[in-house]
Amino acid sequence: DTGVSQNPRHKITKRGQNVTFRCDPISEHNRLYWYRQTLGQGPEFLTYFQNEAQLEKSRLLSDRFSAERPKGSFSTLEIQRTEQGDSAMYLCASSLPAGGLKETQYFGPGTRLLVL
Amino acid sequence: AQRVTQPEKLLSVFKGAPVELKCNYSYSGSPELFWYVQYSRQRLQLLLRHISRESIKGFTADLNKGETSFHLKKPFAQEEDSAMYYCALSGTTSGTYKYIFGTGTRLKVLA
Repeated sequence: DTGVSQNPRHKITKRGQNVTFRCDPISEHNRLYWYRQTLGQGPEFLTYFQNEAQLEKSRLLSDRFSAERPKGSFSTLEIQRTEQGDSAMYLCASSLPAGGLKETQYFGPGTRLLVL
Repeated sequence: AQRVTQPEKLLSVFKGAPVELKCNYSYSGSPELFWYVQYSRQRLQLLLRHISRESIKGFTADLNKGETSFHLKKPFAQEEDSAMYYCALSGTTSGTYKYIFGTGTRLKVLA
């Protein structure tokens, strides 16, 4: 499967613990995005990387959240001191620049987080 | 404010009936609009985008700038069309590539 992959697929943690998720984009895609999806809602944008540079962050990304893409390939999303409100599906997507057009984003299967 | 509205959470139709999934948007410029679909236990995948003017799996969507709508249509629904459908917008502001999604519409096609 050459699509976007995410690990783990499921994570259960206790409130106050730290968690880290990984996303491997489609190779040669230099743009990578993180979204969060809660029940009954569509995906909401969290942050976006072009190569290793984090170029945009949503107000949803509190100071407990940090994302990295150190070598411009895979990315990690860490949540510190998790809260029950962090329970959600965390989606990663990647894309390849398409000139003046808005390129298509390809999504991974997501990591479902449950904070007890 | 940038926003995508999908007014129906659930749409049930009989097999062979026409389908229209509504999507309205709010954006000050000229956005690009997409429809993504999520079948059971599968990931989100692109169905179509307005700039391509394609028909995918019998679905079409026309961007109506006057009504700020991008409704998804299919003349004859099939059972395999049952899925979650999300309308998404990408702005044209330089350096902005994020998608803004609607809340989704679950389509159920009944036999």
